[in-house]
Amino acid sequence: EVQLVQSGAEMKRPGDTVKISCKVSGYSFSDHYLHWVRQAPGKGLEWVGLVDPEDNKKTYAAKFQGRITMTADTSTNTAYMMLSNLRSEDTAVFYCGNVDYWGQGTLVTVSS
Amino acid sequence: DVVMTQTPLSLSVTPGQPASIICRSSQSLLHDDGTTYLYWYLQRPGQSPQLLIYEGSSRFSGVPDRFSGSGSGTDFTLKISRVEAGDVGVYYCFQHTHLPYTFGQGTNLEIK
Repeated sequence: EVQLVQSGAEMKRPGDTVKISCKVSGYSFSDHYLHWVRQAPGKGLEWVGLVDPEDNKKTYAAKFQGRITMTADTSTNTAYMMLSNLRSEDTAVFYCGNVDYWGQGTLVTVSS
Repeated sequence: DVVMTQTPLSLSVTPGQPASIICRSSQSLLHDDGTTYLYWYLQRPGQSPQLLIYEGSSRFSGVPDRFSGSGSGTDFTLKISRVEAGDVGVYYCFQHTHLPYTFGQGTNLEIK
């Protein structure tokens, strides 16, 4: 059974950095890109970027460039997404996935 | 960026009746490798997106055959032959042919 299990909800202040994990099981981690998607409250899905676990090559959506870092650790089958310089507009649920399956989501709340 | 336009944005359907959602892309989604990377997801309230259709017309594992996808190039359709109460949620099309990958705005399906 494919599972992507994400870390828990985070409460952050403006300017902080958040790091979310995504532990994968049930398929070969290195064989599929790992995507991250954002969903602001009451809004649609927005593609954030991807990491190739095989070589850690990343591609980010332009609006996140400079603030985002995605990594993948094949020794633990875990992907990470770090978003820095948080602002209130970053309050959202972040999902990791391989386009076939998605994690349960991680709520990041940014508030002073 | 490829713009994905869904119509309608909301649907109210009587159980047992059919429903259709159209997704149009601003560029052809046919990849150089010959595959069309157009996916359809259902996001039920409070849940992660779940894959229904991949590569435009292939039904994902476990998806009822009431769901079908068709189309090519820039025009795609998701059809539900007989809507059931459990089909309520937001339907998204998603392209991962051209970077950055993009979602449609979502179509909210409710039951009459």
